[in-house]
Amino acid sequence: DTAVSQTPKYLVTQMGNDKSIKCEQNLGHDTMYWYKQDSKKFLKIMFSYNNKELIINETVPNRFSPKSPDKAHLNLHINSLELGDSAVYFCASSRGGASSGEQYFGPGTRLTVT
Amino acid sequence: AQSVAQPEDQVNVAEGNPLTVKCTYSVSGNPYLFWYVQYPNRGLQFLLKYITGDNLVKGSYGFEAEFNKSQTSFHLKKPSALVSDSALYFCAVRDRNAGKSTFGDGTTLTVKP
Repeated sequence: DTAVSQTPKYLVTQMGNDKSIKCEQNLGHDTMYWYKQDSKKFLKIMFSYNNKELIINETVPNRFSPKSPDKAHLNLHINSLELGDSAVYFCASSRGGASSGEQYFGPGTRLTVT
Repeated sequence: AQSVAQPEDQVNVAEGNPLTVKCTYSVSGNPYLFWYVQYPNRGLQFLLKYITGDNLVKGSYGFEAEFNKSQTSFHLKKPSALVSDSALYFCAVRDRNAGKSTFGDGTTLTVKP
C-alpha cells in the first residue's frame, strides 16, 4: 500500500543513453512533482503537473521530458544522458492547486551515468 | 519570489538534550511552512506544517515548530533528542498564491549518545 512508488530504484547507464523513470501515487492527489537531489543533498524542483497539465517547468535541459498519462502517474524520460545527470530523482505528490497540502515523496531513483 | 534559509549545515546535540534546527523564510504574502526529514537512502517525510492559527505547531515524533512572523522564522524544536532523530532536515516555504514550495538546503542533525 505504498503511497508514492518509483521504478527503478537504481539505474546505472552510460553517457548518451536514453532512460525513463516511472512514478505512481495512490493517494488521490491532483499534483505531482519531479525533484533532483544532487550529491550535496540539495533538492531542486524540476517539474510539476496538476491533473495531467504541466504547471511548473523549471530551468531544466530539454533532454528531460515529463509525461503524465493520468493524474496518478508521472514519468520522466531523459535523452542523451550526461555525467551531470547523476543524482537521486524524487517523485512527490500533494493535493492540488495553491493548497496547504504537504508533499508525499517516493523512495527515490538513484541514477548513475558512467 | 520566495526563499528559505537554513543557516546551519550541521547541528550536533547530545541525546536527551533539547534540539533546535533553524529556518528563516521570505515570501511576498502569507506563507505555508513545512518541515521534512530525510533518513539515509530514503525519500523525504513530512513532519509538520504551519498554515494559520496557533504559532506553535506540533508534529510527528515529538517535534514542534514555532512560527514567528516578525522574525520570519520557523525553527524546528524537540525537548529531548534521540539518537534516532539523526537525519537531514529540510524546511520549505510556499507563498499561498504560489504553485510550488521552495526547499532550504537542509541541515544535518547528529544526536550523539
